[in-house]
Amino acid sequence: DAKTTQPNSMESNEEEPVHLPCNHSTISGTDYIHWYRQLPSQGPEYVIHGLTSNVNNRMASLAIAEDRKSSTLILHRATLRDAAVYYCIRAGNTPLVFGKGTRLSVIA
Amino acid sequence: SAVISQKPSRDICQRGTSLTIQCQVDSQVTMMFWYRQQPGQSLTLIATANQGSEATYESGFVIDKFPISRPNLTFSTLTVSNMSPEDSSIYLCSVAWGGTNYGYTFGSGTRLTVV
Repeated sequence: DAKTTQPNSMESNEEEPVHLPCNHSTISGTDYIHWYRQLPSQGPEYVIHGLTSNVNNRMASLAIAEDRKSSTLILHRATLRDAAVYYCIRAGNTPLVFGKGTRLSVIA
Repeated sequence: SAVISQKPSRDICQRGTSLTIQCQVDSQVTMMFWYRQQPGQSLTLIATANQGSEATYESGFVIDKFPISRPNLTFSTLTVSNMSPEDSSIYLCSVAWGGTNYGYTFGSGTRLTVV
């Protein structure tokens, strides 16, 4: 049981921002929110993770709701190379459990 | 973050045979994990392998079918035994890094086809 809910697919235009939502309404106080993506024919790639505060890195931003029941991964300018399956995972001191993720398509 | 080398990248095997997949990490890590990704599906955790102890298997996976070795803090192997076409999948290893604030790195995977 992945315990997160994501849309099956989303589409974005190239160079536009993308907001990928994730619901994790039963998250515990110590679970981190992780985002990974899997490009075709590759293993999953770490994107970002956080606990309570919003997080930024060179790849993306993670906006976490104040009640921590949802979060949004933000890609500031989508490129064709961002087309992948994006997984939102809640994780504590346990291995990652993957759900189905969101398949992001980027249109040139 | 850690860098993982996983071998082989792909193989085609006869049913009834076994294949051993190797995962080498460029730094010492406590926890290593093995996943299976069936065609068109998401990743499913097979087992957790910690050095110095028996691997912990998830429901639906057994040691006789998927024996795992973890001889040191940088290396692990997964064997797929007595293979059948249903074992055709991508197998991936993963490690946790960053101490208690974990991020995870994944190998590039082994694409196994059983004929």
